[in-house]
Amino acid sequence: QSVLTQPPSVSAAPGQRVTISCSGSSSNIGKKYVSWYQQVPGTAPKLLIYDNYKRPSGIPDRFSGSKSGTSATLDITGLQTGDEADYYCGAWDDRLNAGVFGGGTRLTVL
Amino acid sequence: EVQLVESGGGLVQPGGSLRLSCAASGFSFSEFWMTWVRQAPGRGLEWLATIKQDGTEKFYLDSVRGRFTISRDNAKDSLYLQMNTLGAEDTAFYYCVRDWGSRDTFWGQGTLVTVSS
Repeated sequence: QSVLTQPPSVSAAPGQRVTISCSGSSSNIGKKYVSWYQQVPGTAPKLLIYDNYKRPSGIPDRFSGSKSGTSATLDITGLQTGDEADYYCGAWDDRLNAGVFGGGTRLTVL
Repeated sequence: EVQLVESGGGLVQPGGSLRLSCAASGFSFSEFWMTWVRQAPGRGLEWLATIKQDGTEKFYLDSVRGRFTISRDNAKDSLYLQMNTLGAEDTAFYYCVRDWGSRDTFWGQGTLVTVSS
């Protein structure tokens, strides 16, 4: 059971938009920055979003992040088949004094 | 080019020990917090441990505290994870991560640890 809660899977057609939620608590998302990672099966994860909504260089603006209270959201617009991957949210937890991840969300582009 | 290359994984018997290494290059290793993250086959990511730039602060996942030890050698640009009393539940890919959660986050390619008799 992960400390952060994500839906196990989401799907949408190419060109459409999808939203992935990440629910936490006051000890993690509620007071700490959220980051998002993309992992294509068989490869290492890659940073998509840091500090709740910021994109590293090289990440297209089709990917956006937001945070409200104890929840965070990753939005992906203009879906492409290459976006099929697992997506994870992560944050520091002040009560656990440890990093925490969501269980991951498998994105299928139909 | 930034690189993180993990090594030291392999097959180990239950109750055994293993020491993972992560060789860093292409950046100033001593300036960054470093983290180990693992992923069991077919499962999600699990944060394990983080160490400060100078090694004076370390944080651990509760379930590995006392069994795993994170350390670093800035003179050798290397990060380590000493793992003792290994069990089947420790079977996973182990990733070395630079500055987890920040704009400078960078993941190595991982090394596989298999605990089995």
